Amino acid sequence: EAGVTQFPSHSVIEKGQTVTLRCDPISGHDNLYWYRRVMGKEIKFLLHFVKESKQDESGMPNNRFLAERTGGTYSTLKVQPAELEDSGVYFCASSQDRLAGGDTQYFGPGTRLTVL
Amino acid sequence: DAKTTQPPSMDCAEGRAANLPCNHSTISGNEYVYWYRQIHSQGPQYIIHGLKNNETNEMASLIITEDRKSSTLILPHATLRDTAVYYCIVRVWGYGGSQGNLIFGKGTKLSVKP
Repeated sequence: EAGVTQFPSHSVIEKGQTVTLRCDPISGHDNLYWYRRVMGKEIKFLLHFVKESKQDESGMPNNRFLAERTGGTYSTLKVQPAELEDSGVYFCASSQDRLAGGDTQYFGPGTRLTVL
Repeated sequence: DAKTTQPPSMDCAEGRAANLPCNHSTISGNEYVYWYRQIHSQGPQYIIHGLKNNETNEMASLIITEDRKSSTLILPHATLRDTAVYYCIVRVWGYGGSQGNLIFGKGTKLSVKP
C-alpha cells in the first residue's frame, strides 16, 4: 500500500509568486492534515480536512494560504503571494476515520519550499 | 505549546537499548501518548502509542508509569539508522476539531554511535 505522497519535493520561487503544493493521502483515509516547519521552529499544525470539509483551520497563518480537498481525495495548499517567511518544509499527514478506530497520522516526505 | 518535556539530546551505543524519557505531568485521562521520529529532514515517522498499558510493536516498546505522568520509549537494539529526533506527543484520540492534532515540541535528538 502506498504511503502519503507529496509533490513537488522541492520548490524554489521568488517572493510574490504563487506556489501550489499537492498531497495524496493513503487510499481510504478520510482525515488529511497539513503541517509545516519553518527554519529553527517546531513542526506546527496548519489545518485538518475530514473528507472534503475543513474540520479545523486554526493553524493557517494568514489569508495568503488556501487549502482545498475537492472530492475528498488529494489536497492542495496554495500560497499566494509567497513571502520570505513562508520558506520551510510543508508536511501532509493522513489517518483513517476516527470512529473506525484508525486515528494514527502517517506523514508524507514533505515539500521543501524556498522563497527568494 | 507542547504538553511534554524531553531531554534535548541523548547518545546510545550501537546494539544497546536506547531509553528515551518523556514527562507529561498534565496529561488528561483521555489523552494518549504518541511517539514519532524524524530522520534527517524526512517526514515524521509513527513509532508507537499507548494510553496506560505498556505497548510493544516491531519498532519499539512504550512504558507508561502507573500515574501516567511520564513514559519511556525503548528501542531494544539501537542501530545507526535509529539516529533521529524523537518526539513524545500527548493527544486526544478519536475526537474531532483541534484536540486530535499533533503538537510537536523540540524532541530528543538521539545519536547512535558505533
